[in-house]
Amino acid sequence: AQSVTQLGSHVSVSEGALVLLRCNYSSSVPPYLFWYVQYPNQGLQLLLKYTSAATLVKGINGFEAEFKKSETSFHLTKPSAHMSDAAEYFCAVSGEDFNKFYFGSGTKLNVKP
Amino acid sequence: DTAVSQTPKYLVTQMGNDKSIKCEQNLGHDTMYWYKQDSKKFLKIMFSYNNKELIINETVPNRFSPKSPDKAHLNLHINSLELGDSAVYFCASSRGQGNTEAFFGQGTRLTVV
Repeated sequence: AQSVTQLGSHVSVSEGALVLLRCNYSSSVPPYLFWYVQYPNQGLQLLLKYTSAATLVKGINGFEAEFKKSETSFHLTKPSAHMSDAAEYFCAVSGEDFNKFYFGSGTKLNVKP
Repeated sequence: DTAVSQTPKYLVTQMGNDKSIKCEQNLGHDTMYWYKQDSKKFLKIMFSYNNKELIINETVPNRFSPKSPDKAHLNLHINSLELGDSAVYFCASSRGQGNTEAFFGQGTRLTVV
């Protein structure tokens, strides 16, 4: 079965600083990888996805992620954090079973002024 | 237009009651899901339907019964509610092809008292 591990349940950065949220996956097949953002009392919104094309994927709101097969990682980055980026971020994997997405436990991003 | 809509948004009910949550998607997707998000924000798949057929049932108590009257709807009925059922329930849909993302509803916050 596939799985995702997100290191760091809470990450705190200053406004304008680099954001790095870590995601490692386990998969017996080439994975499809996703990052979602959840704002308080909202559903999940897709930030970006990797589907075996370019390994560096750009998403909405200035976020990007790089697929590294050798490290089984798909870390999310943003060069400069904004207050509005404060939210919960989820990494997800699919591919073994097209009807199932496996989610990580989430990382809460706090942005300090 | 809301892509995946679920009602109600909030549901407060007493132990032992029976309740339903409705979900509709207007994206033309073949696959729909129910996910449960617990108090620690962990997202766990409960059910997946493809073209009205149950594909995944992740060892959910049989007090939970999904029903898909057509491809665009997936409702969740819960019998004999227990305190531990309190959570946020998310409906989602996708094209079910693995390399496409899931679209999520806004969630239903169920509180059992």
